[in-house]
Amino acid sequence: QKEVEQDPGPLSVPEGAIVSLNCTYSNSAFQYFMWYRQYSRKGPELLMYTYSSGNKEDGRFTAQVDKSSKYISLFIRDSQPSDSATYLCAMSAAAGGTSYGKLTFGQGTILTVHP
Amino acid sequence: NAGVTQTPKFQVLKTGQSMTLQCAQDMNHNSMYWYRQDPGMGLRLIYYSASEGTTDKGEVPNGYNVSRLNKREFSLRLESAAPSQTSVYFCASTFSFETQYFGPGTRLLVL
Repeated sequence: QKEVEQDPGPLSVPEGAIVSLNCTYSNSAFQYFMWYRQYSRKGPELLMYTYSSGNKEDGRFTAQVDKSSKYISLFIRDSQPSDSATYLCAMSAAAGGTSYGKLTFGQGTILTVHP
Repeated sequence: NAGVTQTPKFQVLKTGQSMTLQCAQDMNHNSMYWYRQDPGMGLRLIYYSASEGTTDKGEVPNGYNVSRLNKREFSLRLESAAPSQTSVYFCASTFSFETQYFGPGTRLLVL
């Protein structure tokens, strides 16, 4: 079983829709949670970063972490065609853990927003 | 400010050949990473260097070696390439691991 599971999709939505992307994980030592966006044939770029549980909002993007359920989400409001990309969740353990400083990625979800 | 650069962009190798993938960053970052990305597998860490002079194995180090040449440069070497090493390779760098900056990638095909 992989430490981080992410539905690869693909996910296709109309412009303006609310998109929900999710990851589950098994390692209870994970404390740092990130979402990366990767456009086709490009390197990933950091979209959102959250430490421990809670919500974080940045414009149309909201990241949620539920450590009790080992579940993280990324919501995209008013989705745009320019949001079409692969979204990767990533996690790392707290300081002192064997995974500290190393990211474990989900498989990535391919999102297409059509006009 | 070029960020993270990788060379070459694309390479075709025959089984058993060797090659070195080059990575450089101009952001004065301490830590650097090498990942491979395969369909359905996400990004997997091959090796990383927390600071100049140190390197450590990641999740999938077999068949690879690395050199942290100086603070700017971190190279990945395939001594005897195998078809299973066909992949897209990404280099990343950071001050703090949660905000890694990625290069554009090297596409490697091993025949």
